[in-house]
Amino acid sequence: GQQLNQSPQSMFIQEGEDVSMNCTSSSIFNTWLWYKQDPGEGPVLLIALYKAGELTSNGRLTAQFGITRKDSFLNISASIPSDVGIYFCAGQLGRGSARQLTFGSGTQLTVLP
Amino acid sequence: EAGVVQSPRYKIIEKKQPVAFWCNPISGHNTLYWYLQNLGQGPELLIRYENEEAVDDSQLPKDRFSAERLKGVDSTLKIQPAELGDSAVYLCASSPGLAGEREQFFGPGTRLTVL
Repeated sequence: GQQLNQSPQSMFIQEGEDVSMNCTSSSIFNTWLWYKQDPGEGPVLLIALYKAGELTSNGRLTAQFGITRKDSFLNISASIPSDVGIYFCAGQLGRGSARQLTFGSGTQLTVLP
Repeated sequence: EAGVVQSPRYKIIEKKQPVAFWCNPISGHNTLYWYLQNLGQGPELLIRYENEEAVDDSQLPKDRFSAERLKGVDSTLKIQPAELGDSAVYLCASSPGLAGEREQFFGPGTRLTVL
């Protein structure tokens, strides 16, 4: 089946620093999504990307859909303490049974004061 | 607008016991998903419903897992009997349907511990 490799697995950064994480896939996706999960909660959608090459921002978050459709990255600028959490990428191929999301294994982000 | 509701939030059982999880999706959402999330991993789809029909259950271990969504609203996921390896978080998600298929809204999950 499809595999998503997400890196880094964990990050420790100082408050105010920028952070970048990425996902690569062995096969193509038509949609890339980035989620954040806080402890004891379900994932919450941050950014959705629907077109190869697309660059989308949501506040301090910026994500890009790779041209090859096999990768995506997420940048967070000027990190703050509430950015702490686990960030997941997810790929979606299309309609029907291919609609299901394939998740990466997550990036645990810790922001140090 | 209320989000996806799941109960219980936590469940501790002994192996070989049955267990059931309940999910109430966002009102009006036709599509409902059950995911399994192991520690340190992303969610993995178990089953997807379109209204009351299970349209994708290829990842559901059918020897011990079952699910239902009888009236196309609430859903129940059952494990019988539970095994030690079933300890995980079980997430429910919903989406509006074909028009809103891309965004799935997740509930807080049920954390299952099998002793």
